[in-house]
Amino acid sequence: GNSVTQMEGPVTLSEEAFLTINCTYTATGYPSLFWYVQYPGEGLQLLLKATKADDKGSNKGFEATYRKETTSFHLEKGSVQVSDSAVYFCALNGAGSYQLTFGKGTKLSVIP
Amino acid sequence: DTGVSQDPRHKITKRGQNVTFRCDPISEHNRLYWYRQTLGQGPEFLTYFQNEAQLEKSRLLSDRFSAERPKGSFSTLEIQRTEQGDSAMYLCASSPGQGRDEKLFFGSGTQLSVL
Repeated sequence: GNSVTQMEGPVTLSEEAFLTINCTYTATGYPSLFWYVQYPGEGLQLLLKATKADDKGSNKGFEATYRKETTSFHLEKGSVQVSDSAVYFCALNGAGSYQLTFGKGTKLSVIP
Repeated sequence: DTGVSQDPRHKITKRGQNVTFRCDPISEHNRLYWYRQTLGQGPEFLTYFQNEAQLEKSRLLSDRFSAERPKGSFSTLEIQRTEQGDSAMYLCASSPGQGRDEKLFFGSGTQLSVL
C-alpha cells in the first residue's frame, strides 16, 4: 500500500535559517505529491504540490521537487520566519484514488 | 465562501453511546471527504463522496461508522457504540471536483473524546 515517511520533529530554527523537512514515499504507479500545513488554531491547508516526476512545487518561499528516482519530496525554504511556525504534512494521492495518504507531520518552531 | 464548517467543535461521550457529526462543505463543491487524526499522527482517510454517492471507503471505517451526504450538500458521520479508541479529531474536507490532484479545503474538525 501507499505510505509516507517524514522526518521526526519537532524542529526548532532561528529566524532566517534554512529549512529542510525530509519526505519519502512508497506508492504504486505515479502518485501526486503534496505538502499541507497546519498553522496554530487553523485547519489544514495546501502549501504546494507536484503531479509528475521532476516537477517543482512552490508557494510562499517554500519549494519541493518530485524526485522519482529517490521517491522523495523534501520541503525547503531559504529563510524561515516566525510566522512559518506550524505543523507540516507530506501527503500523496495514489493513482486511481481520491484519498490522500499523509505522513505523521513535522512541527516547526521558528524563534526570533 | 465561508469555508468548510464542522459541528460540534468538541464532543465528549461515554463509551457505548452513539455520536453524530455534521460537515457543511464550501457551496458548489462536489466532493466531500472525511478523515480521522489522532495525536501525533497525520490524518487518515475514512471516506469520500462525489455529490451524494459514497465512492470510496477505508477499511478503517468499520460497520460502527456510517456516513451520508443525502442531497449532495452537507454530510453526517455517525459512530455507533463508541469505543475509547474512537477518540480522535474528525476532519471534513471538500473540493470542487475538477481533477484528482485538486486542493482540498479542510474544516477545523470535531474533537471526540470517549470516556
